[in-house]
Order: sequence, then structure tokens, then C-alpha cells
Amino acid sequence: QVQLMESGGGVVLPGRSLRLSCAASGFTFSTYTFHWVRQAPGKGLEWVAVISADGITFDYYADSVKGRFTISRDNSRNTLYLQMNSLRPDDTAVYYCARPRRGVITDPFDYWGQGTLVTVSS
Amino acid sequence: DIQLTQSPSFLSASVGDRVTITCRASQDISSYLAWYQQKPGKAPKLLIYVASTLQSGVPSRFSGRGSGTEFTLTISSLQPEDFAAYYCQQFNSYRLTFGGGTKVEIK
Repeated sequence: QVQLMESGGGVVLPGRSLRLSCAASGFTFSTYTFHWVRQAPGKGLEWVAVISADGITFDYYADSVKGRFTISRDNSRNTLYLQMNSLRPDDTAVYYCARPRRGVITDPFDYWGQGTLVTVSS
Repeated sequence: DIQLTQSPSFLSASVGDRVTITCRASQDISSYLAWYQQKPGKAPKLLIYVASTLQSGVPSRFSGRGSGTEFTLTISSLQPEDFAAYYCQQFNSYRLTFGGGTKVEIK
């Protein structure tokens, strides 16, 4: 069965970096575009970034993270990453990796990870 | 970016009630709209996509309608397990924006 498992969250000081991982199993990871979505405590969902299936063709970012976050993937390890630099308190959120239903960039998400909490605080 | 406005943001209802949530888009998104349900501490769950297609395994009391800029999610007879937050999402653009959410609580 499809499984997505995020890791790497934690408490970090403002201005520091953190790298999140999302380990995928139960499907052919390399054929799916993948996204990161976040949710601040008590707030709604915010799309963060997307990467192409091959990890080369495209990656796009929300304006709020552009220039600070980098999405990447290792298809040999079935793993998605989010490198987060210059973290700010308003980056505090649960971060989810999410799989589009048909694997294409513009498609709703049929599978989500359980989420990993990132807290940016001094 | 395409903005999605959900209403109401909060809804109090009883088991058995018919409930409707509205999602309005800032521009025409055809039928590229999905609905999710989220319970506390859990990831969102896909309910409906392309405005009206029920995701596999979702009960038939959930239905979606609309196209262009106005969409609705209806729960025909609210069940105890339906008390949750609901979000719309557009996938007309790769910048997949979400509505602000509707929290459905027990009256």
C-alpha cells in the first residue's frame, strides 16, 4: 500500500536551517510529481513547493519560501526532500509531503504523509 | 495566484442535518476543484475532485457541484464522523491554492 513518511522536523532557531525528508513506498515513486504543503498551528493549508518526477524538469515555490527553501528528490532512494534555510518564526508549521492522484503537477492529492512539525523559535 | 474564498468559516450543525459549504474562486478554474476533509492531528483526506467526482471509498452522502468560479460541497445527512474541517483546493494552476477552511462542529 502507498505510504509516505516525513521526518526531520524539530525546534530550530530563527535564521538556521533544517532538512525534511519524505520516504515513499508502495508505488513507483519516480513517476510522480511531488509537493510539500504546510499548515501553521490552528491555521489552514498552504502549498509550499512542487518538483517534477525526474527531479530535473521543474521545481516551483510559493512566494513566501522562494529563495530560502529548495525541494529535491532522490529517486534511487524513493525519498523527497525540503531544504529550509533562513528559517523564520512564521515558517512554524506541520509540513506534509503529498502525492498528486495521477502524478501530474496539476492534480489533487490522494496520499499525504502524517506530517512533521517544524518550530522556529528563539 | 488564484484565491479561494470559503464560506462559512464555521458551521454548527446536528447529526442528520444537510450541510452545504461554498467555495468561490477569484478567476475561472473550470472544474479543477477538489475538496478535502481534515480531522484534528491528521492529514487531509481527498473527498471530491474535478468538482463532483467522489474519491474511491468516500460515502455517497458527500457531493460536489459547480464550475467556473462557484462550487459547493454538500453533506446530505451529517454523521458523527463528519465533524471536521473542510478545505477546497484549485488545481487549475500548479500553484495549488487552498481555501481558508470550514470547521463543522456539533450543535
